[in-house]
Parts: sequence; structure tokens; C-alpha cells
Amino acid sequence: DQQVKQNSPSLSVQEGRISILNCDYTNSMFDYFLWYKKYPAEGPTFLISISSIKDKNEDGRFTVFLNKSAKHLSLHIVPSQPGDSAVYFCAASEPQGGSEKLVFGKGTKLTVNP
Amino acid sequence: ETGVTQSPTHLIKTRGQQVTLRCSSQSGHNTVSWYQQALGQGPQFIFQYYREEENGRGNFPPRFSGLQFPNYSSELNVNALELDDSALYLCASSIGQGVPSPLHFGNGTRLTVT
Repeated sequence: DQQVKQNSPSLSVQEGRISILNCDYTNSMFDYFLWYKKYPAEGPTFLISISSIKDKNEDGRFTVFLNKSAKHLSLHIVPSQPGDSAVYFCAASEPQGGSEKLVFGKGTKLTVNP
Repeated sequence: ETGVTQSPTHLIKTRGQQVTLRCSSQSGHNTVSWYQQALGQGPQFIFQYYREEENGRGNFPPRFSGLQFPNYSSELNVNALELDDSALYLCASSIGQGVPSPLHFGNGTRLTVT
């Protein structure tokens, strides 16, 4: 039973345009959400996060939106650059006695074409 | 600032054998977590250590065990290896409990069980 779902395995975008990556979750106890980027042969790199008390968080070209009623979050990258080509993972965290367990989606492979 | 380092980078073992993977946390981080990433999947939480004690565990059998040392480095041990244990094993560190904070991942150990 997947608690975090990324329904698009891949996304292709032109350089300079907006990339929108989507993520849905089922567990209403999740209170902290993160996006990670992963290049081949490297570990996931933290990109941006958002607490459940907010609906938007922005960091440079990256913005994460959270819609708690729909249990949906999205990552917007504007403008997209070829170096953004990577696999993007959505992750969620549930308070669990102090443990910081993250539940990950399966990832979306983003390709930004020059 | 030294990031999370893992060793070895690649490992080939035979079914039934035992393996130990190692991780050095990012400086200033006192919590370490281990994740398993199978091909085409997102990372899955194995367990977390804080102050040398396990304080959270995912859905993995007892033959997966770990240690955290006083310098916050960590080991993941897997006994009686099975073919399905073939995966990328990721170590991640964070600043500690109580406050949601991003995990910082190493580049992983690629384990192949034949």
C-alpha cells in the first residue's frame, strides 16, 4: 500500500519553461514534506521542504505547493535548466515517537531539453 | 563541512552470507538512518539511530541490524543474505530529534547478492 504516490514516471520539458512535478499522499498524519533530486550514481540531494502548517514554500527557482484537503503537493521549477534533469522524489514524514522516518514515492524522471 | 560518506561503494555477496556496510555522518549530525532502494523504487526506511540506540524501524526482518557509535558513525549488518536484498543501501544523517529536518544522504552502497 503506497502512502506516497508519484503517478508520472517521467516528464520532458523545454529549457526555460516551467516543470511541474506532482505527488499525492494518503496518510493524513504526515506533517512534513520534502523533495529530493537524484542524479545517477549519487545519493538523493535535499531540494526543498514544507511543513503542513504552510501551503507554499519558495527557494529560488523552486516552489513547493501543499494542498492538505486534496492530500497533494507539487514542485514547480521555473525556469527549467538542463542541469535540472534528474529523478525527483517526493517524501513525507510522520511524527513517530521522535523517529524521522521518511516515506518516499517512486520518483519522476525529469528531462529538460536544451 | 564533511558530508555523509559510505563504504564500500559496491559489493557482491553470495546468498546466505553476511554483510556489513559503513557510514560516517555529516559533522554536527547525531541521528543516522538507513534506507534500501530497490531498482525502480523510492528509498524504503530500514531503521534510525539516535544516541546509539535504535529509535524507529521499518518493515524489515530482524536479520537487518545496525549500530551507531559514539562518534555518530554507523553500521548496517545484514545476515543470511537473500537475492531480494540486492539494492542500493543509503545512509542519511540529520541534526536530531524533535524538529523536522531534512535528511542528508550519502552516495550509497550498491549490494548485489548472487
